[in-house]
Amino acid sequence: GAGVSQSPSNKVTEKGKDVELRCDPISGHTALYWYRQSLGQGLEFLIYFQGNSAPDKSGLPSDRFSAERTGGSVSTLTIQRTQQEDSAVYLCASSPQRGSDTQYFGPGTRLTVL
Amino acid sequence: SQQGEEDPQALSIQEGENATMNCSYKTSINNLQWYRQNSGRGLVHLILIRSNEREKHSGRLRVTLDTSKKSSSLLITASRAADTASYFCAASAVGGATNKLIFGTGTLLAVQP
Repeated sequence: GAGVSQSPSNKVTEKGKDVELRCDPISGHTALYWYRQSLGQGLEFLIYFQGNSAPDKSGLPSDRFSAERTGGSVSTLTIQRTQQEDSAVYLCASSPQRGSDTQYFGPGTRLTVL
Repeated sequence: SQQGEEDPQALSIQEGENATMNCSYKTSINNLQWYRQNSGRGLVHLILIRSNEREKHSGRLRVTLDTSKKSSSLLITASRAADTASYFCAASAVGGATNKLIFGTGTLLAVQP
């Protein structure tokens, strides 16, 4: 079946602009995660959704970052007033249910802020 | 930062040799997972070891876990050029309901044909 998809695959933007990154999880997966990977680094947790609610937003680095999930499916990560330090690969993952161990990752969106 | 650490940061070996990567983490865990990443994009789940397990095998992969030392190792036997990738350990921490993963810094493995 289809895996996790993300769009766009690449995004180049100018400092100060807003960007939206989209994640389509595997159908039926109730848990959804966003991670960020800066150049040459490991992944950093940003936010977790269970259904449409986000019980853990502890990884969002600033109030410029927000995310929502509608219909228990698609999620959008929004970064307002982008800064150069926001440049990274943003990865989305889903898993079948709360407490499931394995997360299935999408291909990521590479964001470059000029 | 709760981020784990991996060593070596980079490893270059010849095809057919074994590759060993080590991971240290900081939290109490439910399980420890290993992922593979090609070309800095999506991650692929390789293997999971639970906190009450000490060793696990899957094909050419062997994982060990020492919870007293908060460390794990991944061994890839009889490596192939196609194994060239970055490998990350990820700890699933005890407590909370998020099951978020805390990743290590990664090991870049290059297998020379």
